Formats: sequence, structure tokens, C-alpha cells
Amino acid sequence: DTGVSQNPRHKITKRGQNVTFRCDPISEHNRLYWYRQTLGQGPEFLTYFQNEAQLEKSRLLSDRFSAERPKGSFSTLEIQRTEQGDSAMYLCASSLMSLSTGELFFGEGSRLTVL
Amino acid sequence: GQSLEQPSEVTAVEGAIVQINCTYQTSGFYGLSWYQQHDGGAPTFLSYNALDGLEETGRFSSFLSRSDSYGYLLLQELQMKDSASYFCAENFNKFYFGSGTKLNVKP
Repeated sequence: DTGVSQNPRHKITKRGQNVTFRCDPISEHNRLYWYRQTLGQGPEFLTYFQNEAQLEKSRLLSDRFSAERPKGSFSTLEIQRTEQGDSAMYLCASSLMSLSTGELFFGEGSRLTVL
Repeated sequence: GQSLEQPSEVTAVEGAIVQINCTYQTSGFYGLSWYQQHDGGAPTFLSYNALDGLEETGRFSSFLSRSDSYGYLLLQELQMKDSASYFCAENFNKFYFGSGTKLNVKP
């Protein structure tokens, strides 16, 4: 299966620790997105890349969050000094640059629990 | 962020037809997408409207009216496996999602 891969699938950490999530998109996709989802809510946009360039970051996103896509392939999302409010599912998605089909391909997500 | 409104929950019986509405306040998007998400699963793409009108994909159809700031997803011949959450999402090169509609299909 060559879909979007995320790891770890689950992460439990103590408040104040740093965590990093990795996303491997579909290989020919040049756009990569990070979303956050909490129970009963829709995915919330965090940031997105076109190749290695980070094109936009949500204004609501704390500066404790940083994302990279150094070679235009996989991406990492780091959360520094985690807080209990960071507990959520972190979803990665990828697409071709042309969004004429309106389709994002999502990974299974990384669930973060901050104690 | 953007504001898309959907009903929080809808219940229907197997074999029926159900319509899930999505109203929005922000214009200028490229199109409106619909996604399905089962509990514990990833969102999966269902349908997309770049232009006004109806798009049909098997049992699922989606409609967009930019003049009415409104779209809907139509699910026909409901099956138990259609029980899931459904999200509309505006395409601004990144996607802004609504809060979702939980569909319960009963026998």
C-alpha cells in the first residue's frame, strides 16, 4: 500500500515534553498538509507545504508548533512544551498541486495524549 | 478560520435517502468537497463541486449553489456501512472543514 503513512500512531507524553510526528505522503504528491482533529470536530487546518516550501501556517497556531519538509518528501511536525490542550489526533494529508479534483489523501493519524 | 455549518446529527433507515446540508459564509473558494470518516478512521474523499450544480458518484451526489452559499451531500439507498461522520470542506488551496454531521443508519 502506498498511501499516506504517519507515525507514531499513538503517543502519550507528560506536559512540558516535546513530541515529533512524521508523515510520509504519497510519493508523487507535491502538497502536504497537517491538520488537528478533536473528538466531535472537523479537521482543523494547521499548515501546508508545496514541495519543501511551507506556504501557510494557521494564525491560530501557537509558536510551539513547527513543521518541516526538508527534501520535499516526508514531513515532521514538532510540538514543544506540550500542554494538555494539545491532546488531539494529528492528521497528515497529501495531494497533487492541482486540486481540480478537490481530493486530499489522509493518513490514519497520530493520536497525542498529554498527561 | 472559515465558518461552515452542518447539522450535528442525522438519523435515517436503511434503504432511505438522506441529504446533509452545508452552509457557508465565506466566498471565493475554488470548490466544495465532501469527506466521510468512520469512527477511528481517516477522512476519505467522496465528492467535489468546483462549479454550481449536481455531481453524481454512484450512490453519493453533491450539490453546490454559490449564489445561495449552500451545498449538500445526498446519499441514496442507505446502507448500514454509511453510518459515519460527513464533512464539507472549502477549497482555498488548503481546505477548511465543517464540524461534521454524524449519520446514524438504522435497520
